[in-house]
Amino acid sequence: GAVVSQHPSRVICKSGTSVKIECRSLDFQATTMFWYRQFPKKSLMLMATSNEGSKATYEQGVEKDKFLINHASLTLSTLTVTSAHPEDSSFYICSASPGQFSYNEQFFGPGTRLTVL
Amino acid sequence: GQNIDQPTEMTATEGAIVQINCTYQTSGFNGLFWYQQHAGEAPTFLSYNVLDGLEEKGRFSSFLSRSKGYSYLLLKELQMKDSASYLCAALDSNYQLIWGAGTKLIIKP
Repeated sequence: GAVVSQHPSRVICKSGTSVKIECRSLDFQATTMFWYRQFPKKSLMLMATSNEGSKATYEQGVEKDKFLINHASLTLSTLTVTSAHPEDSSFYICSASPGQFSYNEQFFGPGTRLTVL
Repeated sequence: GQNIDQPTEMTATEGAIVQINCTYQTSGFNGLFWYQQHAGEAPTFLSYNVLDGLEEKGRFSSFLSRSKGYSYLLLKELQMKDSASYLCAALDSNYQLIWGAGTKLIIKP
């Protein structure tokens, strides 16, 4: 099956710093990548959808200046949490799809656990 | 509004069968996904149904009734490693995935 990697898997940072999370599709070209966050015992919450070479589409309530997404190539998307605060602590998961629409199977990365002190 | 309902938690015995139900209300419908998620890990794909009926894949089967807005995931010959959360997600008319909160399945020996 298709493999998606995420780096780092865990990060602990101080309040006010910025954290970058990378999502890579290792053996396929990802036309679309999705970024989710998940709180304990809750479902996935879609933050944004990004297509290679264009600006990300953010879900309502997600601050695009806070969560910067770059999808510079067909195999790499990055999420930068700027000026992180404790309330940003969460499990961040990316997924990648070879198709333009999310009805194509999404392949999930292993997730990144962010803890902001 | 759009909504996905599935039980919060279920318990079953190793070797038995369990059925996890999911009902959905979406603006348009383009299919339904089931994902498995172990604690602290990302979801993994289990199944996708867009037509009515049962799709069997080894020990796991998924059923869809579009007229009833209903799906279930059937797990047979349960193993301890099947202890996980099972997420139901429906694809709406804009091809956006609407996620359920997940059903935590606990398998007892």
